[in-house]
Amino acid sequence: QKEVEQDPGPLSVPEGAIVSLNCTYSNSAFQYFMWYRQYSRKGPELLMYTYSSGNKEDGRFTAQVDKSSKYISLFIRDSQPSDSATYLCAMSRNYQLIWGAGTKLIIKP
Amino acid sequence: GAGVSQSPSNKVTEKGKDVELRCDPISGHTALYWYRQSLGQGLEFLIYFQGNSAPDKSGLPSDRFSAERTGGSVSTLTIQRTQQEDSAVYLCASSLASLAGTRGELFFGEGSRLTVL
Repeated sequence: QKEVEQDPGPLSVPEGAIVSLNCTYSNSAFQYFMWYRQYSRKGPELLMYTYSSGNKEDGRFTAQVDKSSKYISLFIRDSQPSDSATYLCAMSRNYQLIWGAGTKLIIKP
Repeated sequence: GAGVSQSPSNKVTEKGKDVELRCDPISGHTALYWYRQSLGQGLEFLIYFQGNSAPDKSGLPSDRFSAERTGGSVSTLTIQRTQQEDSAVYLCASSLASLAGTRGELFFGEGSRLTVL
């Protein structure tokens, strides 16, 4: 069983919809939780990180961590075609990041 | 430079040949990482360099893989006697320090896409 599980999708939604992306994990020792966006043939770029449980908001993006359920989420409001990409969750074990497989998101105009 | 630079961007090689992949990190970043991304898979940690400390090589999949970092800057990942299962995108990232890496504040290059025939 993988330490971090993420549905690969694809997830297709109309422009303007609220998008919910999720990951589950098995190691309760993880403290930092990240979301990255990766465009085709590019490297991942960090969207935001969260320490321990709670919510964090940055513009149209909100990250949630529920450590009791070992479940993290990323919400995207007012989704745009430019948000179409693969979204990867990751968690850190010291300097090593443990990654989900990524969810491919398609925003239809 | 403005970002992390990797070369070559694409490499096609025959099984059994050696390949070298290069990474030029962001100036001033002391931490450097190599990850491997296979199709439909998450990133897999390979190796970590921090300043002048001994590198963490725990993620290297076999002794055919090696990496070095010269002068605390440029890094080279070498794969000897390549196999078809080595086909993947090899991503390099750098961060200001190890704590930034713990928070996921990594800056990635665009990767070197390796295809072994």
